[in-house]
Amino acid sequence: ILNVEQSPQSLHVQEGDSTNFTCSFPSSNFYALHWYRWETAKSPEALFVMTLNGDEKKKGRISATLNTKEGYSYLYIKGSQPEDSATYLCAFGSNYQLIWGAGTKLIIKP
Amino acid sequence: DVKVTQSSRYLVKRTGEKVFLECVQDMDHENMFWYRQDPGLGLRLIYFSYDVKMKEKGDIPEGYSVSREKKERFSLILESASTNQTSMYLCASVQEGSTGELFFGEGSRLTVL
Repeated sequence: ILNVEQSPQSLHVQEGDSTNFTCSFPSSNFYALHWYRWETAKSPEALFVMTLNGDEKKKGRISATLNTKEGYSYLYIKGSQPEDSATYLCAFGSNYQLIWGAGTKLIIKP
Repeated sequence: DVKVTQSSRYLVKRTGEKVFLECVQDMDHENMFWYRQDPGLGLRLIYFSYDVKMKEKGDIPEGYSVSREKKERFSLILESASTNQTSMYLCASVQEGSTGELFFGEGSRLTVL
């Protein structure tokens, strides 16, 4: 059974601090790894779609790395701001067969 | 601004009622999906459609049906709602052959009493 694990489940971070969390996925038959941000009362929004081992992607203060051989991806947020409060989802697979993690809920404390 | 619009943000229905959840996208995407999201679980795929009038079962299709009569619209139907279908329902679309980034609606929170 293919499984995607995200850790931690939730995280409280002081405003201004940097943080990171993990997505673990099966290391065989890799196709793509997706990261989404889901703010309360809004649509989940794509952050990154990563396809190559060793890939690093960046969008503003948020970056992600990918290790397909060992089956993990890290999401980093530098200098957390209140607007970063959201649930961060990762998903593994192709469009038709995405397997989703349960998410990491990030709360930024002012 | 590209958009996926779900018709109802919040619905409360009674057991046995028929429920329609509508989703419309304005990006001319071929592929559309219905997911449900429950606490502590990842998104689970109910059905997807890769073209008009085409549909494929996802991981949890039981108790649901779908309709795709027009490219922009994908409807999820609960023929006879049950309490275990209380959930957040998310519609998404993606361009065939793209990088795979899904575009989501804001979700429809359904409560079945």
